[in-house]
Amino acid sequence: GNSVTQMEGPVTLSEEAFLTINCTYTATGYPSLFWYVQYPGEGLQLLLKATKADDKGSNKGFEATYRKETTSFHLEKGSVQVSDSAVYFCALTGGYNKLIFGAGTRLAVHP
Amino acid sequence: NAGVTQTPKFQVLKTGQSMTLQCAQDMNHNSMYWYRQDPGMGLRLIYYSASEGTTDKGEVPNGYNVSRLNKREFSLRLESAAPSQTSVYFCASSEETIGKLFFGSGTQLSVL
Repeated sequence: GNSVTQMEGPVTLSEEAFLTINCTYTATGYPSLFWYVQYPGEGLQLLLKATKADDKGSNKGFEATYRKETTSFHLEKGSVQVSDSAVYFCALTGGYNKLIFGAGTRLAVHP
Repeated sequence: NAGVTQTPKFQVLKTGQSMTLQCAQDMNHNSMYWYRQDPGMGLRLIYYSASEGTTDKGEVPNGYNVSRLNKREFSLRLESAAPSQTSVYFCASSEETIGKLFFGSGTQLSVL
């Protein structure tokens, strides 16, 4: 079945540093790919998505490109802020409107 | 602007007790979901409901039952709680756009 693997955290960065969170997937067919973010004490929120190969999803300075050849969907941001501290989840479609989530990567940004 | 509302936010149970987690959404979504979140394992789907009157098992349904009471409400019941069910439970709903889920703020459940 479909699955997703994320880099283990926590990732600790200083403010304005460059962020990369790795995500690779295994899937049959052509899944859609997503990044969700969970701020402390809250539910998950959709951050960005890509529905086909070579698509780039972007939102709030974050971006990720759907790479079919490497089965990857790495999340990047050029300059992180303290307010970006959260847990980030990579996900892909796994059937009728169902999502399969990775284990999550905690990001801590220090001033 | 409520979105998805879950109750309770926190609950402590003893092994063998039962309880129902409530979830309601005000976005007129057809699909609703229950996930559990455990450290190092991400979110795992327990049950989902593609529309009012239908429910289907997800990845980890054992020990749980669900009811889609109407289009707004989707409840999760633990008939006989076990320590392995200690987790954070999230309800979610979705519009027709694939993958765009709206989550509640979660229920932290401890089973002693």
